[in-house]
Formats: sequence, C-alpha cells, structure tokens
Amino acid sequence: DVKVTQSSRYLVKRTGEKVFLECVQDMDHENMFWYRQDPGLGLRLIYFSYDVKMKEKGDIPEGYSVSREKKERFSLILESASTNQTSMYLCASSLSGGSPLHFGNGTRLTVT
Amino acid sequence: GESVGLHLPTLSVQEGDNSIINCAYSNSASDYFIWYKQESGKGPQFIIDIRSNMDKRQGQRVTVLLNKTVKHLSLQIAATQPGDSAVYFCAEGSMDSSYKLIFGSGTRLLVRP
Repeated sequence: DVKVTQSSRYLVKRTGEKVFLECVQDMDHENMFWYRQDPGLGLRLIYFSYDVKMKEKGDIPEGYSVSREKKERFSLILESASTNQTSMYLCASSLSGGSPLHFGNGTRLTVT
Repeated sequence: GESVGLHLPTLSVQEGDNSIINCAYSNSASDYFIWYKQESGKGPQFIIDIRSNMDKRQGQRVTVLLNKTVKHLSLQIAATQPGDSAVYFCAEGSMDSSYKLIFGSGTRLLVRP
C-alpha cells in the first residue's frame, strides 16, 4: 500500500512565524501535491510537483511556497503565517496522470 | 473528530442496506473519475476509479457507475456497515494529467445500527 506520511498531525503557530509542513511518500511516485481543506470550500490545490526540483502553482498559491529536493519528500512553507491560513493541510502523491492521488492524514494548522 | 464539511448533504441508511451516493460532474471533457472516503480526522482514502471508456466498474462491495450523457457518477455500497460511515466525494480529471483534479464537496453517509 502507498504510504504518505505527514510529519505533524497538529501544529499551533503564531502570526508571522515561518512554518514548515513536511510530507514523505514511499512509493517512488512522480507527482506530489499540497491541498488545504476548509469546511464548505472542499479541497483546494496550493502547489504540485511533477519531478524533483519542479513545482507548479495550483489554485491558491499566495502566501505559500514549496520545496522538492528529493523525490520522496515535498515540503510546504508558509513564509509568514497568517490567521487565514488556519486550515487542514493534506499532502498527496500519484504515480502519473490517470492514476489516483493517495493522501496523508493531514496536518491541522492553527495560526493564532 | 474533525468535520470536513458543515453543511454536507447527508444520506442515512440502515446497516445491511445498500447505499447509493451520487455526484454530478462539471466538465464534459473529463475522462477519469475517482471516489474517495474520508473518515473524521483522517485524510481522504482512495476507494475506486473509472475511466470514461467504461460505464461500470466493481470493487469489493462497491460499484461505480458513470453516465457521460448526463455527467453523472454514482457509488453503490452493498450491505452497508457501520465502518462505512464517512464523507464520500468524487473527483474528475484527465487521463493525461493528475494535476488538475476537481473535487466535489461530498456527501456524509450515516449508517444506523
């Protein structure tokens, strides 16, 4: 089974802090994704990566950046956390186009 | 646990009955469809997928039906169990790329004992 592991289940950060969310997948998948999930808004794509060192903006990239230095690891960075970035963050990976995304269990981030 | 949606449509079924969860998709060019299950406090879990060259696909206790004419997707769960209680949502996309999946808002399934 594919395993996507997010390093933290819960995080509480202060406004203005730099925040790192880490994600690792163990299936040698090419593609990795960061989504946020908010009640009533569903899943929204922040950034994705289709190869090492490659990244593409999703639908809501503002306030975020990403890093993919190794194939198995994809990091989401909040340069200066704000309260409107309080959310559930979901990492996912997929083998290729036309294959399903496999999700981690999420990181619940609260910015105070 | 965490709620993934405050005002999701809810389907309540008796344990042992069959469940049918529906999804209308938006893009007639979509040719790849996925169903996910999300339990409280967990990430979405892949259930089953279907490509547009098929109209039906079966898994273990689940069947997905695709009607491209009316852009409708359904998930049927046979002999629904308490462990099936979760939010279910569909996603549509392209076989050429997994980058731009569009996710539905979801339906909450409640299984009565």
